[in-house]
Amino acid sequence: NAGVTQTPKFRVLKTGQSMTLLCAQDMNHEYMYWYRQDPGMGLRLIHYSVGEGTTAKGEVPDGYNVSRLKKQNFLLGLESAAPSQTSVYFCASSYGLTSGFTDTQYFGPGTRLTVL
Amino acid sequence: AQSVTQLDSQVPVFEEAPVELRCNYSSSVSVYLFWYVQYPNQGLQLLLKYLSGSTLVKGINGFEAEFNKSQTSFHLRKPSVHISDTAEYFCAVSVPGAGSYQLTFGKGTKLSVIP
Repeated sequence: NAGVTQTPKFRVLKTGQSMTLLCAQDMNHEYMYWYRQDPGMGLRLIHYSVGEGTTAKGEVPDGYNVSRLKKQNFLLGLESAAPSQTSVYFCASSYGLTSGFTDTQYFGPGTRLTVL
Repeated sequence: AQSVTQLDSQVPVFEEAPVELRCNYSSSVSVYLFWYVQYPNQGLQLLLKYLSGSTLVKGINGFEAEFNKSQTSFHLRKPSVHISDTAEYFCAVSVPGAGSYQLTFGKGTKLSVIP
């Protein structure tokens, strides 16, 4: 099992450009999450999904959109990147069906995004 | 809303010495508590979690944590650290029920093990 993978690992954007981050998991998990990690801030939840075709806002959703068209994939989009979105982005997934959100979340290796 | 405070941003400790990483939380309702570890250039990995029951929770790699409701704390301990324990450790809290999807993380504690 590859677990949770993220593409790309690094990206540099100019202000106003758009991009999509891809998260894939091969554990048949129902729940998936996108976080951002900033120095001295811990992780903050951007969006999450409790199943294919469903998404919901987390703590810091502004400037981001997500889609979950397939159970194994969770996409994070930036339509018009801003320097404030420079961060490390982590995707995570969890089983979810029997224990809800208390299941262990499995994290991907992260995507380091710089917006100039 | 709940919050998490990790009292130390950096903790240096000599190899084979004991370590305690402190975590305090604030919440008006009961909570679930977690400790995650992030090794350099990697994602987070669950060390242990407290949902209910025994207040002493044992996790992977020899770590354990004790839930203290009266002091609203969930400190992480290891009796003897190894070089491989060098990493950043995050305490997190969630609220049972409708809000349990959201893990609220502390700012992290960087543990440096000195040979």
